Amino acid sequence: DVKVTQSSRYLVKRTGEKVFLECVQDMDHENMFWYRQDPGLGLRLIYFSYDVKMKEKGDIPEGYSVSREKKERFSLILESASTNQTSMYLCASSPFDSYRVNYNEQFFGPGTRLTVL
Amino acid sequence: GQQLNQSPQSMFIQEGEDVSMNCTSSSIFNTWLWYKQDPGEGPVLLIALYKAGELTSNGRLTAQFGITRKDSFLNISASIPSDVGIYFCAGLGSNYQLIWGAGTKLIIKP
Repeated sequence: DVKVTQSSRYLVKRTGEKVFLECVQDMDHENMFWYRQDPGLGLRLIYFSYDVKMKEKGDIPEGYSVSREKKERFSLILESASTNQTSMYLCASSPFDSYRVNYNEQFFGPGTRLTVL
Repeated sequence: GQQLNQSPQSMFIQEGEDVSMNCTSSSIFNTWLWYKQDPGEGPVLLIALYKAGELTSNGRLTAQFGITRKDSFLNISASIPSDVGIYFCAGLGSNYQLIWGAGTKLIIKP
């Protein structure tokens, strides 16, 4: 059974704190993604990675960075959390497609609801 | 950039009713996907569509890839309580990144 796990379901942080969100997948997938989900806006891609140590900016990378040191783990980092980063964060993974990066089904984790006070 | 308009934003229906939702875009997509998010969980793929005009079913769910490649719809027949959740459409854009709709929240009236 495929599985994507996220380190926390709920997280409360203060403005200015450095925040780490961890994601692990056990499917040996090459691609991993970080999204944020806000009501009425759907899913917006923050960063994605198609290989270890590789990363690409998504639609809203500002204020975030990522790290992929191992194939199964993709971390999202908020260097200095701000209140406008309060949101639901979803991690996903997918197998590599030889033609395109996002063609194959993405499998999602349960999400981390982050509140920044 | 490419955008998707998904409607309706939310639906209140009675158990047993049929449901219809759609996504439209001003741009052409090569792939349309429909995902469902249960409360407290991440989205799960329901149906994938790869050809214009394609009609695909998954149980009580039916989705179609529009002929113009600029739209897609999802129908749910005879809704049941476990159908509640948020349904997302997504299209594979020209830069091979997924473009997501804003979601349709389905609520079943008791």
